Amino acid sequence: SYELTQPPSVSVSPGQTARITCSADALAKQYVYWYQQKPGQAPILVIYKDSERPSGIPERFSGSSSGTTVTLIISGVQAEDEADYSCQSADSSGSVIFGGGTKLTVL
Amino acid sequence: EVQLVESGGGVGQSGGSLRLSCAASGFTFSNYSMNWVRQAPGKGLEWVSYISSVTNTVFYADSVKGRFTISRDNAKNSLYLQIDSLRDEDTAVYYCARPYANGGQTYWYFDLWGRGTLVTVSS
Repeated sequence: SYELTQPPSVSVSPGQTARITCSADALAKQYVYWYQQKPGQAPILVIYKDSERPSGIPERFSGSSSGTTVTLIISGVQAEDEADYSCQSADSSGSVIFGGGTKLTVL
Repeated sequence: EVQLVESGGGVGQSGGSLRLSCAASGFTFSNYSMNWVRQAPGKGLEWVSYISSVTNTVFYADSVKGRFTISRDNAKNSLYLQIDSLRDEDTAVYYCARPYANGGQTYWYFDLWGRGTLVTVSS
């Protein structure tokens, strides 16, 4: 089955760049989507189709893709960006798959 | 306001049943397929089930197949999840989630989520 692997945690200081990776184990990588989730709140889509940003999401959020690894990049991290970030994709049969989530800590 | 609000969570006995609801507002509910996604304590998100907008085509994750039943009432703008034969591993926050749709096509990612409802299975 298709799996997505994320690091459990990433820590950065305010103003630095955070990079959160999502690695797929399939050769035929599908598009990856990223969600931000703060405690007690609904997840919010922050990146779709690897690198597209929905309206209303700050420009400091971006995405990149290389091979079977997709990276969420948060430039100039702010304290309010501290949250859990999850990647998501769908395999060739349309089954939705999530990564294990990464806790971003702003030091 | 465009929103999804889940309800119906609580403590259920192992082997028992619970029925979750999701009330949609601010958009044409009948135009969208819908999904349930859950998150166990300290774990990642897990897709649970899908239902189409009108034809009631349904899909389930293997982990819940045969125990969970997804349904909807478009007249009431509501989505449901019947959980039977509760197991410890069903303990989680359950979210309803709307997939992104544009130009008559539905995509496999979610642009609207509720805040979730907590299900705790007690043995």
